[in-house]
Amino acid sequence: GQQLNQSPQSMFIQEGEDVSMNCTSSSIFNTWLWYKQEPGEGPVLLIALYKAGELTSNGRLTAQFGITRKDSFLNISASIPSDVGIYFCAGQKNSGGSNYKLTFGKGTLLTVNP
Amino acid sequence: EAQVTQNPRYLITVTGKKLTVTCSQNMNHEYMSWYRQDPGLGLRQIYYSMNVEVTDKGDVPEGYKVSRKEKRNFPLILESPSPNQTSLYFCASTELGVSTDTQYFGPGTRLTVL
Repeated sequence: GQQLNQSPQSMFIQEGEDVSMNCTSSSIFNTWLWYKQEPGEGPVLLIALYKAGELTSNGRLTAQFGITRKDSFLNISASIPSDVGIYFCAGQKNSGGSNYKLTFGKGTLLTVNP
Repeated sequence: EAQVTQNPRYLITVTGKKLTVTCSQNMNHEYMSWYRQDPGLGLRQIYYSMNVEVTDKGDVPEGYKVSRKEKRNFPLILESPSPNQTSLYFCASTELGVSTDTQYFGPGTRLTVL
């Protein structure tokens, strides 16, 4: 099965710094999603993007759906220690009546130094 | 409270000993899915179900079975587990026909096959 190319694999930053991560794909997705996973828990949705070019914010998080529908990025501004976790991008093709499968990137491990 | 529950949360077993991981959701969602998460690979879909008695393979179905006799339950069955099925498993559910931000993940089941 296809996977998304997510980068960077890991980031180690100081509290207060901004963070940027991105995902690219060789095929088109109709929906891009960004999840955060903390130890011992399942992924939790942060931002969902439904239209090419869409820019959406959720507090200090901003994500964009690429114009080509083959990429997306997530920015975190003014990072804080509780931002620590693994961030996953996920794409969904959303064909009517078919599998709602999410295709995931491999994740970006974020560490924030207080 | 909207919930996806999985049991057990942790399991250590031996090769060949049949096991079942249960998944239950209380949101009356039609769609349910199983993913496995492995280091460096992100999450990959094993099986999914569009509704009661409707199931189909995801990207990595080998060695697994599922059933969907009731809407709320979607157990994952390993008839003869092998060490390469050692992984972290997540169940997810979503309501069909609405935006994907209603997709919920369970807390995960960490399986070790010796």
